[in-house]
Amino acid sequence: SQQGEEDPQALSIQEGENATMNCSYKTSINNLQWYRQNSGRGLVHLILIRSNEREKHSGRLRVTLDTSKKSSSLLITASRAADTASYFCATNAGGTSYGKLTFGQGTILTVHP
Amino acid sequence: DVKVTQSSRYLVKRTGEKVFLECVQDMDHENMFWYRQDPGLGLRLIYFSYDVKMKEKGDIPEGYSVSREKKERFSLILESASTNQTSMYLCASSNRRGRGTSDLGAKNIQYFGAGTRLSVL
Repeated sequence: SQQGEEDPQALSIQEGENATMNCSYKTSINNLQWYRQNSGRGLVHLILIRSNEREKHSGRLRVTLDTSKKSSSLLITASRAADTASYFCATNAGGTSYGKLTFGQGTILTVHP
Repeated sequence: DVKVTQSSRYLVKRTGEKVFLECVQDMDHENMFWYRQDPGLGLRLIYFSYDVKMKEKGDIPEGYSVSREKKERFSLILESASTNQTSMYLCASSNRRGRGTSDLGAKNIQYFGAGTRLSVL
């Protein structure tokens, strides 16, 4: 089953605009992470937010987490053409999950120069 | 700098061949994972390992096996490759225990290799 589901599936914006991607999940979590994947490459970790946190910042990235709604959002401010990539949310259930992550299907972001 | 290395970027095999995909990490991580990624289906976990010689099935283990004889190396084996195993294969590793106070030291952050695009003809 899909634990993380991203919305929208694809997003196209102009350089300088903000990009917002949303993620919903179904079960309780220990933390939620966002990853980025450039075309044809592996994933790179961007940011982690723990279940007891509501908002987190890292450079131009802002992540929010609403555990009551089982949802998270990733905001990229002042986007650049180099931000063009696929973005995935991933949830960790903690406990005896051995660090397993459940990934969503991703949002494809295209930033036009 | 952390590094997860997959042995091949591109691989072409014939139906029925035995295929080995190798993954090596230099971070002394306990956990290692194999995923396959297909358009519209996201990343799906095939197998993972939380220690040497230990392995657990993921969501789609059928047609695959794994081997972890050393901590740094996790191999994915396709016993008899089939065309429906044509895919992008991604290896990842993570700490079982958190180290330090930064996010990058947190447990459960996964570090990925560059991927192997396998075509089975």
